[in-house]
Amino acid sequence: GAVVSQHPSRVICKSGTSVKIECRSLDFQATTMFWYRQFPKQSLMLMATSNEGSKATYEQGVEKDKFLINHASLTLSTLTVTSAHPEDSSFYICSARSGTGRRTDTQYFGPGTRLTVL
Amino acid sequence: AQSVTQPDIHITVSEGASLELRCNYSYGATPYLFWYVQSPGQGLQLLLKYFSGDTLVQGIKGFEAEFKRSQSSFNLRKPSVHWSDAAEYFCAARGGKLIFGQGTELSVKP
Repeated sequence: GAVVSQHPSRVICKSGTSVKIECRSLDFQATTMFWYRQFPKQSLMLMATSNEGSKATYEQGVEKDKFLINHASLTLSTLTVTSAHPEDSSFYICSARSGTGRRTDTQYFGPGTRLTVL
Repeated sequence: AQSVTQPDIHITVSEGASLELRCNYSYGATPYLFWYVQSPGQGLQLLLKYFSGDTLVQGIKGFEAEFKRSQSSFNLRKPSVHWSDAAEYFCAARGGKLIFGQGTELSVKP
């Protein structure tokens, strides 16, 4: 199946700093990428959807100025957590959907990034 | 509202025993349905998907799922569980966005 990578896999930062997480589709072009957040023992919550070359669409309750998403190419999307605070500590997972535009397209998930804010 | 429900938070089965994980959905029309597995600290791996056609879907790792429209269900099954199947399992449905159930944690006893 298609492969989605994330970098870094784990990051620890101080409160007030910004952290950038990269998501890449390695063997397919992803016109649409998704960012999810997962708390321990809980399900995935969609944060935002991004289309290549367009502004991301954020879910209700997600601060767009705190979670900056850039989808600059068909294989790369980045999530920047700005001025991170301990409550931003979580497991962030990206997902990419192939670019055929059909409803039957499958979403593939990255391995996740564990963010810990001290 | 669209939703996916996995009634069982945690299930324990003995190795070699059969497994069934339940999933119910609430959508206006039949959505596309998926089962994903997540190992600790990892991302999600697609086990199988249902779009249309045959209601019994075969997936990877010996898993299968059956779509039952009358029950709005898409239960995951495996005839004989292996210790390596211990993980978190998520049912998901997509009408527009992909919506996940709460997940079922599977433990396997030796």
